[in-house]
Amino acid sequence: DAGVIQSPRHEVTEMGQEVTLRCKPISGHDYLFWYRQTMMQGLELLVYFNNKAVMDDSGMPKDRFSAKMPNASFSTLKIQPSEPRDSAVYFCASSRRTTNEKLFFGSGTQLSVL
Amino acid sequence: DAKTTQPNSMESNEEEPVHLPCNHSTISGTDYIHWYRQLPSQGPEYVIHGLTSNVNNRMASLAIAEDRKSSTLILHRATLRDAAVYYCILRDPNYGGSQGNLIFGKGTKLSVKP
Repeated sequence: DAGVIQSPRHEVTEMGQEVTLRCKPISGHDYLFWYRQTMMQGLELLVYFNNKAVMDDSGMPKDRFSAKMPNASFSTLKIQPSEPRDSAVYFCASSRRTTNEKLFFGSGTQLSVL
Repeated sequence: DAKTTQPNSMESNEEEPVHLPCNHSTISGTDYIHWYRQLPSQGPEYVIHGLTSNVNNRMASLAIAEDRKSSTLILHRATLRDAAVYYCILRDPNYGGSQGNLIFGKGTKLSVKP
């Protein structure tokens, strides 16, 4: 299995632009998670899906962030408009179940908003 | 949410055992203890988890105190590749929301000297 695949690996954009991060979970995994990591805040859970439905997005800024999972093998995290404070590493993870199943993380997307 | 306390950093010599402590005095009866680690420039990876009994796998051992208020991750023979941030996380499988998900703290940064 190729593991969780994220794209792009690096993204540099200007403030105000739209940014779309992509994630392909491991086949057969029902749960998908988006995390953000910064030096100040560490790893923060933004949103997670169960069978393509959003289960909890309380960690996600609603005004500019949106997360979708149109099918079981693809998810996007969109930021519009982007701001410098969004600069971070964004990780996607998947698991078979939340109940003590281990999470598999992707390599992350390094986002820089200038 | 149940919280964990870990030292900010630890040092070890290569090929020696490493004991990484974690305190979780407010752990509930249904919380599992999970350990993840994050190597430089990579996403977190699962190490081990347990409830009451000590656990062993190919990566490490987990020793859980009898009262469950603390645990220790044991790397039996540290290598340079074990240099990473190690996270101790409590996870309640009975909750489908954020309490059941991985909430990362600051972790312990382990340095391994040759």
